[in-house]
Amino acid sequence: KQEVTQIPAALSVPEGENLVLNCSFTDSAIYNLQWFRQDPGKGLTSLLLIQSSQREQTSGRLNASLDKSSGRSTLYIAASQPGDSATYLCAVSSDNDMRFGAGTRLTVKP
Amino acid sequence: NAGVTQTPKFQVLKTGQSMTLQCAQDMNHEYMSWYRQDPGMGLRLIHYSVGAGITDQGEVPNGYNVSRSTTEDFPLRLLSAAPSQTSVYFCASSTGAVTEAFFGQGTRLTVV
Repeated sequence: KQEVTQIPAALSVPEGENLVLNCSFTDSAIYNLQWFRQDPGKGLTSLLLIQSSQREQTSGRLNASLDKSSGRSTLYIAASQPGDSATYLCAVSSDNDMRFGAGTRLTVKP
Repeated sequence: NAGVTQTPKFQVLKTGQSMTLQCAQDMNHEYMSWYRQDPGMGLRLIHYSVGAGITDQGEVPNGYNVSRSTTEDFPLRLLSAAPSQTSVYFCASSTGAVTEAFFGQGTRLTVV
């Protein structure tokens, strides 16, 4: 059974700092990995999707990497802003199943 | 520009009552799914559908029922609500099971 772990559970940084969020998974037989953002009381917004054959994806200040063999992904956020404060979730897809981590709650302080 | 729409946003039920959570998407997506989100845990898959007329169980299907009569709609039925079903429920859709997923805003359900 696929298990997805995100460390740390919570992170607080000053504005402007570069930061890395971590995601690990136990079964490397995945089709893709997605990073989502969730604001309090809201739904999930897809940030980046990395196919299993890819190593990384970039969107603006966000960069996500995938090392399928070691079961790890990182989400790099450059020059963090208070508006980046949210919970970030990673999810891995295999067959008809998407498994989520519990998320990292990020707070960026002005 | 609606995307995935869930209704209601909030609901309080008494133990034993039944209800249906509605989910509709306007993107012509074949794949739709229901998740529940509990504190400190990731989203867990309840049921999913790969197209109209086809549904299957996810990780935590007990106590829930689904049907898919149209491409657009994928309602989730709670047959006899229990306090353990207190959660936030999310509906998602995508072109396929392993493509980018789009989520609704969620339904916060409390069973007392």
